[in-house]
Amino acid sequence: QQQVKQSPQSLIVQKGGISIINCAYENTAFDYFPWYQQFPGKGPALLIAIRPDVSEKKEGRFTISFNKSAKQFSLHIMDSQPGDSATYFCAASPYYNTDKLIFGTGTRLQVFP
Amino acid sequence: SQTIHQWPATLVQPVGSPLSLECTVEGTSNPNLYWYRQAAGRGLQLLFYSVGIGQISSEVPQNLSASRPQDRQFILSSKKLLLSDSGFYLCAWSGTHGQFIEAFFGQGTRLTVV
Repeated sequence: QQQVKQSPQSLIVQKGGISIINCAYENTAFDYFPWYQQFPGKGPALLIAIRPDVSEKKEGRFTISFNKSAKQFSLHIMDSQPGDSATYFCAASPYYNTDKLIFGTGTRLQVFP
Repeated sequence: SQTIHQWPATLVQPVGSPLSLECTVEGTSNPNLYWYRQAAGRGLQLLFYSVGIGQISSEVPQNLSASRPQDRQFILSSKKLLLSDSGFYLCAWSGTHGQFIEAFFGQGTRLTVV
């Protein structure tokens, strides 16, 4: 119940295309859902985050879509660029322990020119 | 501004040898500190977290231990390394980012046990 399931494991997208990464959870106590971006040899960094009081959040080319009833959320990268090539992690934390993030297994995105 | 330092960046150790990875945070006081391990295809696995000096919570049973001798210092140790301890180890601290909690990660240590 503490898991966050992420798919796909890897994704290849052409430049200008849309990259979509999906995550699902079971614990209804989760109420904070961030996405982290990690470049090779570096630590992950926060990309964008959402709380379940909204169904969508957009920052530039990055959008989180959230479906509370289905307990799913996804990251959409519009107009994908080669510089977006990285590993993306979704995460979640429960309202009673917001410091404890549960991470998904990661998606390696490769954007080809 | 807050910064997190983690060293060494890479480490090759023989099986059975001890391990000590150090992490320090600057620019903040009483941070929550974390050790994660990243293995291929398994994402980020939380190993230990600490809410204060001497307070360590272990998330998974393993060959590793953690200590927090000072407020902004977090150490990951092992008395005898196993081959399965190989991986990418990340230290992190958490802080508020507006209405959100954000984890700030170090650069990581690539550990290879041979």
